[in-house]
Amino acid sequence: AQSVTQLGSHVSVSEGALVLLRCNYSSSVPPYLFWYVQYPNQGLQLLLKYTTGATLVKGINGFEAEFKKSETSFHLTKPSAHMSDAAEYFCAVSGNGANSKLTFGKGITLSVRP
Amino acid sequence: DAGVTQSPTHLIKTRGQHVTLRCSPISGHKSVSWYQQVLGQGPQFIFQYYEKEERGRGNFPDRFSARQFPNYSSELNVNALLLGDSALYLCASSLGASAGIYEQYFGPGTRLTVT
Repeated sequence: AQSVTQLGSHVSVSEGALVLLRCNYSSSVPPYLFWYVQYPNQGLQLLLKYTTGATLVKGINGFEAEFKKSETSFHLTKPSAHMSDAAEYFCAVSGNGANSKLTFGKGITLSVRP
Repeated sequence: DAGVTQSPTHLIKTRGQHVTLRCSPISGHKSVSWYQQVLGQGPQFIFQYYEKEERGRGNFPDRFSARQFPNYSSELNVNALLLGDSALYLCASSLGASAGIYEQYFGPGTRLTVT
């Protein structure tokens, strides 16, 4: 079984400040980990994913995440927030099996203050 | 190339009614997955179809069913609607069945309201 925990439902930062969105996972098999972003009234867009190899993963729009097996974490960061980053962010986990599926966390709403 | 398309965009139904939601995958994609996203929650997996066969089913009652057609488009059917079925229903397509290996591309969703 796999699960994802995203603590807190809302994060607010000032424009130009560091963005840190936390994600912890539980998985009985080596996990594949994902971050998705959802803008209002839109579907989900993949920001980045970790499969194997390098534990620091770079994604689109300046986001990156680091896989830490010892902490079962996959936190999302961006050095400098932009107003356009305001959205809902979902962490997800899957296995690597032939029919693996995505299991999502509850999501975190990011607000960016001018 | 066109992305994943879903129809209708919005839908209002009454309790007890039946609803059919439709999804057209990206050209060349053979896998379609359906997710339910209740307000304030993350998407929850309902079904996956690959090459017209069911490859996965989430923890949803038998009122939920789906199928995939020869052109890889898909329908999600929900019978005997309940108020709790009100949600955004997302369709995602991918080249293969493994979500870990093949990126899933999401459509904009169908917003279902049950009154």
